[in-house]
Amino acid sequence: AQTVTQSQPEMSVQEAETVTLSCTYDTSENNYYLFWYKQPPSRQMILVIRQEAYKQQNATENRFSVNFQKAAKSFSLKISDSQLGDTAMYFCAFMKHAAGNTGKLIFGQGTTLQVKP
Amino acid sequence: NAGVTQTPKFQVLKTGQSMTLQCAQDMNHNSMYWYRQDPGMGLRLIYYSASEGTTDKGEVPNGYNVSRLNKREFSLRLESAAPSQTSVYFCASSEADSGSYEQYFGPGTRLTVT
Repeated sequence: AQTVTQSQPEMSVQEAETVTLSCTYDTSENNYYLFWYKQPPSRQMILVIRQEAYKQQNATENRFSVNFQKAAKSFSLKISDSQLGDTAMYFCAFMKHAAGNTGKLIFGQGTTLQVKP
Repeated sequence: NAGVTQTPKFQVLKTGQSMTLQCAQDMNHNSMYWYRQDPGMGLRLIYYSASEGTTDKGEVPNGYNVSRLNKREFSLRLESAAPSQTSVYFCASSEADSGSYEQYFGPGTRLTVT
């Protein structure tokens, strides 16, 4: 069975600075996807960034980038130039890739990020 | 384009009462999911439906039933609510074979069982 671990329950960062959120996972699969979702106080889940395990290049989306270390089973999220609107809970998630994939996500426990002015 | 909608947004039940959480999506997605979110535990999959007419158990199915009414709608039923089912419930949908695998989430239902 796959597991996802986020070892930082809470983090804070000053506005305009950079912060990195950690995520590790355990799987015996070779083909899978990893995601970071953001949940602001509104409770809405929003996809931040996605990484395919077969791609060596780290995914980037504007101020958000990942450091994907497949051998170490590590998938950290870096937020550059932090903004007040980045205040949210962030979830790391794993999805196995297989024929007839059902798209089931396995989530980590979440990290609450507070961006301070 | 409403995306994924859920009703109700809030609900309080007494132990033993039943209720159905409704979910609908207008993105023509094949796959739909029900999750529950509890503090310190992230989101856990209750049931999912890979396509119309099929449903399967997820990680925490006990105490719940689901119905995939048609391609748009996927409901979650609590037959006899228990305090342990106090949680926030999310419905999601995706086109699992599209290549993006992004799941789109509804706004959630906060359920309290007293």
